Amino acid sequence: AAGVIQSPRHLIKEKRETATLKCYPIPRHDTVYWYQQGPGQDPQFLISFYEKMQSDKGSIPDRFSAQQFSDYHSELNMSSLELGDSALYFCASSPRWPGGGDTQYFGPGTRLTVL
Amino acid sequence: DAKTTQPNSMESNEEEPVHLPCNHSTISGTDYIHWYRQLPSQGPEYVIHGLTSNVNNRMASLAIAEDRKSSTLILHRATLRDAAVYYCIVMDSNYQLIWGAGTKLIIKP
Repeated sequence: AAGVIQSPRHLIKEKRETATLKCYPIPRHDTVYWYQQGPGQDPQFLISFYEKMQSDKGSIPDRFSAQQFSDYHSELNMSSLELGDSALYFCASSPRWPGGGDTQYFGPGTRLTVL
Repeated sequence: DAKTTQPNSMESNEEEPVHLPCNHSTISGTDYIHWYRQLPSQGPEYVIHGLTSNVNNRMASLAIAEDRKSSTLILHRATLRDAAVYYCIVMDSNYQLIWGAGTKLIIKP
């Protein structure tokens, strides 16, 4: 079965540079979530999109922005990178239906290292 | 947001059942209880979820207390591949997963 695809899998950037992470959800999934997981930390919710509209926002810094495109893939744009942005970034997708209980399917993650 | 409390770690012997507890005393009536696990260097993986009734799937069983303030994830026969951090999460009405610290499950051969 098709899974969530994330690219790139590894990314090394310098401080103050920009980075773009991409997420391709499972076909027919219309909801995408972004999470950040620092070293030894639990995943922290950043932002989510449903049907190409932002549906919820978590602890996403103002330096980060994201969007979901017409083909449902999503991109997380990170500017003015800081050392503390070094983390694993996970994307998850789910099919949304009324009443809650969505299962989120996670991608393998993008490991961002900021030097 | 409803919060969850789990033991930091648990150990179990291979081939034995494992019961992972979780407290979620502030859960609201429409919040779902989700369990995910994360193996080292991998993305989180869905295990099971439920609302009020006990649930079974091919991976595990979920036992939910009658007052819904606690739940238990049951792995019927743990294998070495089940060693992971198990997260008990309450999904709120915004479909947001609020992650806690999770339980690190150690399986002894």
